[in-house]
This record gives sequence, C-alpha cells and structure tokens, in this order.
Amino acid sequence: GAGVSQSPSNKVTEKGKDVELRCDPISGHTALYWYRQSLGQGLEFLIYFQGNSAPDKSGLPSDRFSAERTGGSVSTLTIQRTQQEDSAVYLCASSLPNTGEAYEQYFGPGTRLTVT
Amino acid sequence: RKEVEQDPGPFNVPEGATVAFNCTYSNSASQSFFWYRQDCRKEPKLLMSVYSSGNEDGRFTAQLNRASQYISLLIRDSKLSDSATYLCVVAHWYRPTFGRGTSLIVHP
Repeated sequence: GAGVSQSPSNKVTEKGKDVELRCDPISGHTALYWYRQSLGQGLEFLIYFQGNSAPDKSGLPSDRFSAERTGGSVSTLTIQRTQQEDSAVYLCASSLPNTGEAYEQYFGPGTRLTVT
Repeated sequence: RKEVEQDPGPFNVPEGATVAFNCTYSNSASQSFFWYRQDCRKEPKLLMSVYSSGNEDGRFTAQLNRASQYISLLIRDSKLSDSATYLCVVAHWYRPTFGRGTSLIVHP
C-alpha cells in the first residue's frame, strides 16, 4: 500500500515568509508525528496527533510553528516568519493508534526547507 | 545526561565482520525500544523492534537490558549495503526519543 507522503520535497523561501508543509499518513494510522532534523543532528520531536485527542505540541520550538490535522488524516505544519535557523528537513511519521505503548513509525521522505 | 545516547562512530569494518552498537537511555520508565536505519539524505526506516527477551532477524540481533538501561544491535556478516546510520529509539508511552545515531561504514 501507499506509504507516508510529504510535499513539497524541497522548499526554498526567503527569511520572513510563511511556509506550509503537508503530510499524508498511511491509511488507518491515527497517530501522526512531526520531527525536524538539522544537518548532522538527531530527530527533534515537534508535535504529535492521535485521533481526535488534543495534540501534544510540547516540542514546537516557538509560537511561529503550528500544525493542524484535518479529518484525522492529512496534516499541515506551518512556519510563520521563517528564520534561517528553521532550515532543516521536516519529517512526518505515522503509526497505529498508541493506546499505551509506542508502535513502529513509518516516515515520509521529508521536506527539505532552506531559508535564505 | 542525554535521554538517549549513542556512540556516533563511524564504525569502519570490512565485509563479513561482526559489529555491535550500544545505546543507553536515562528514563527507566521507558516501555518501547526500536532500531531504525537511516541512509544518507533519506528518511529513517524501521530495522527492528527490541523485545525484553531479545530478538533476531537474519543477521541482526537486538537485545534489551533494562537493569543497565541499554539496548544493543549486533550485525553479523556485514555487507556493503549495511553502510548507514543506525538510530536507537526509546519510547515512553507514545513519545519516542531518537538517539543521534551511529554511523557504520562497511568496506570491501
């Protein structure tokens, strides 16, 4: 079946502009995560959605970052007034419902964001 | 102490060698453990889950030591295609924490 898809694959934007990154999870996966990976760094947790529950936004680095998930499926990560330090690969992952323990996550190919 | 720590390497080994990686974690309440593989400029992909009793998948063996709070990955008969970064993942409830990864280079 189809895996996790993300768009765009690459985004170059000017400092101060807003960007939207999209994630389509695997069908039937109600858990969805956003991560950020900077060059040579580990994955940094940003936000977690599970079904209709309130998202865990504790990883968002500033109030310029926000995310939505519509209809329990597609998710959009928005970065307002982008800064150069926002340049990174943004990865989305989905998994089966987390009723207690974490399940294996399946990652999308990522969006490489470059802020000039 | 970092939540999840790995030796960044690189581990440089010849084909056919056996290589082992360790990963330590700080949260004793962690419940789920995984190894992921990440190729250069690619997304992480699940290699294997790590169970309390230890588990094996072909040339790969994973172990969990809760008392000492570490997990390990053993790769036997290394192949050139095993060259990648191996990420240790430790989860408490739904929240996974990724290590920075251990780089493996397998040479002819």
